[in-house]
Amino acid sequence: KNEVEQSPQNLTAQEGEFITINCSYSVGISALHWLQQHPGGGIVSLFMLSSGKKKHGRLIATINIQEKHSSLHITASHPRDSAVYICAVSGNTDKLIFGTGTRLQVFP
Amino acid sequence: DAGVIQSPRHEVTEMGQEVTLRCKPISGHNSLFWYRQTMMRGLELLIYFNNNVPIDDSGMPEDRFSAKMPNASFSTLKIQPSEPRDSAVYFCASSWGLAGAGDTQYFGPGTRLTVL
Repeated sequence: KNEVEQSPQNLTAQEGEFITINCSYSVGISALHWLQQHPGGGIVSLFMLSSGKKKHGRLIATINIQEKHSSLHITASHPRDSAVYICAVSGNTDKLIFGTGTRLQVFP
Repeated sequence: DAGVIQSPRHEVTEMGQEVTLRCKPISGHNSLFWYRQTMMRGLELLIYFNNNVPIDDSGMPEDRFSAKMPNASFSTLKIQPSEPRDSAVYFCASSWGLAGAGDTQYFGPGTRLTVL
């Protein structure tokens, strides 16, 4: 079993839909990261959080430390949100452990 | 800042040849990471440095792989000899590297390596 599990693996949506991507982990962490990888291959860090909730534009990330679970929400989805979203966790070092990613496609 | 810079962006080589990938981290960042991404295994950490010192190289596949960071602004990942199974995208990332803080990492554009 992977230490970081994401669901779903693939997700399609119509423009405007509310999207949720889930991440569960089985190790102790100091922080959880959400990354975005666009079709061109570049990787961008979206959020780093260790408790509660963070919001940036239409993106919201939440984490429940007791349940070892995090969600990434996208409100009013748009085709430009199409990408692979990757969950990663870090313990008491800088080393990241990655999930396998969720491929999102948003159609107009 | 220009962000993390990697070169080359694409490399095609033949099995048995030496390959050197280069990375320039963001100025002021203390930690540098080398990752490999494949379809089968996703993103994997190969090695990371803090203040130019290798901290964790447990992800380096075998002796054919080596990494150096001679100064704060430059790192190399070398594969010698290269094999077709080394074909992947190799990413370099850097962060401020505050110990245990799990800092945000800034990724370079990657080097797509194809070994024929």
